[in-house]
Amino acid sequence: EVQLVESGGGLVKPGGSLRLSCAASGFSFNTYTMTWVRQAPGKGLEWVSSISSSSSYLIYADSVQGRFTISRDNAKNSLSLQMNSLRAEDTAVYYCARVRWELRYLDVWGKGTTVTVSS
Amino acid sequence: EIVLTQSPGTLSLSPGERATLSCRASQSVSSSYLGWYQQKPGQAPRLLIYGASSRATGIPDRFRGSGSGTDFTLTINRLEPEDSAVYYCQQYGTALFTFGPGSKVEIK
Repeated sequence: EVQLVESGGGLVKPGGSLRLSCAASGFSFNTYTMTWVRQAPGKGLEWVSSISSSSSYLIYADSVQGRFTISRDNAKNSLSLQMNSLRAEDTAVYYCARVRWELRYLDVWGKGTTVTVSS
Repeated sequence: EIVLTQSPGTLSLSPGERATLSCRASQSVSSSYLGWYQQKPGQAPRLLIYGASSRATGIPDRFRGSGSGTDFTLTINRLEPEDSAVYYCQQYGTALFTFGPGSKVEIK
């Protein structure tokens, strides 16, 4: 079964850091671009960052550029998001998703992990 | 950056009726890169349509995507109670993905 499972969410103070992880299984992880999408409470979906299969291509939303770093470990079938200088507006459910790069859509999603930035 | 606008914000219909959801882009979008997602409360989004008109695996043919350029439509025929959800369009362009704000479909 194709599956993505996020972890690492929690409560962090403004200015703090958090590292999210996404464990992939059931597919050839090293052949897919992966992405993070977040959803603030009661709000819509916001794309955060994507990384190509070989990590050669990284892209970020302007809202997180310079503060968040996406990475992957193909040997461990794992995707990560290092989040620094967190702000209250980063509070959200963070989803990892598989990207079908040929047509730029997200075909498999994890259940999400919740990040709360509050003092 | 391409901005997606969705309408209506909320649609309330009865079972068996047809829902027509609009997604309008601020500039032309490649049809290849236009997708639709369904999200039910407390759940992750689910892919419905990719490439503007291709149904994802397991999606019933009641769901139909169409459109090109700046105007795209998701049509849901013969609404069923389980279609109650928020529907998002998504595009890729200029090295970033964007989502529309969503349209909520309520089943009476």
